[in-house]
Amino acid sequence: GAGVSQTPSNKVTEKGKYVELRCDPISGHTALYWYRQSLGQGPEFLIYFQGTGAADDSGLPNDRFFAVRPEGSVSTLKIQRTERGDSAVYLCASSFGGTGELFFGEGSRLTVL
Amino acid sequence: AQSVTQLGSHVSVSEGALVLLRCNYSSSVPPYLFWYVQYPNQGLQLLLKYTTGATLVKGINGFEAEFKKSETSFHLTKPSAHMSDAAEYFCAVRLGTDSWGKLQFGAGTQVVVTP
Repeated sequence: GAGVSQTPSNKVTEKGKYVELRCDPISGHTALYWYRQSLGQGPEFLIYFQGTGAADDSGLPNDRFFAVRPEGSVSTLKIQRTERGDSAVYLCASSFGGTGELFFGEGSRLTVL
Repeated sequence: AQSVTQLGSHVSVSEGALVLLRCNYSSSVPPYLFWYVQYPNQGLQLLLKYTTGATLVKGINGFEAEFKKSETSFHLTKPSAHMSDAAEYFCAVRLGTDSWGKLQFGAGTQVVVTP
């Protein structure tokens, strides 16, 4: 597709379970970002990749959160031992070079029961 | 440190009336400022950005914003609202200087357009 694709669009899980969220960026975009948006708030930065490496993971809330981008394209956000407070919409965005424009996916809505 | 405050979580405007969305920021470095819009069931989309140079920036769909350093503001305006402008609008400031896409977003303003 032409845009940023995120799967699943909705995920309901139980407290303590492991979750993976996938992001497929726009082809050729070298930078990839993960954000988290809680109800009534703006997106909050989590981590960004330049190519395969995590250039800045300062927004990850704790060590239960981890993200990878092994081939410099698709990225997976992994959350271990989920907690109810992890419930949010997880947004992925990609960009090319220094254009200053992020292209966002529609998000993955995570609900932890 | 950087932060963004959007005044008003909900704004209702009549079709054809002025749209004014307020954004104030704080930044420890020269600010790069952005407005993003989120239409229902779509991803966020860039409306416009300010980096350096001209302080009045024009974006898509007839929107514009003016950077006022003395007021630490970056308010978004559109002279005449259309029904299609109903969406949520987010102001954002760049965090640090090493990435264009590492942003601090405001809480958003939901715009409702009434006939």
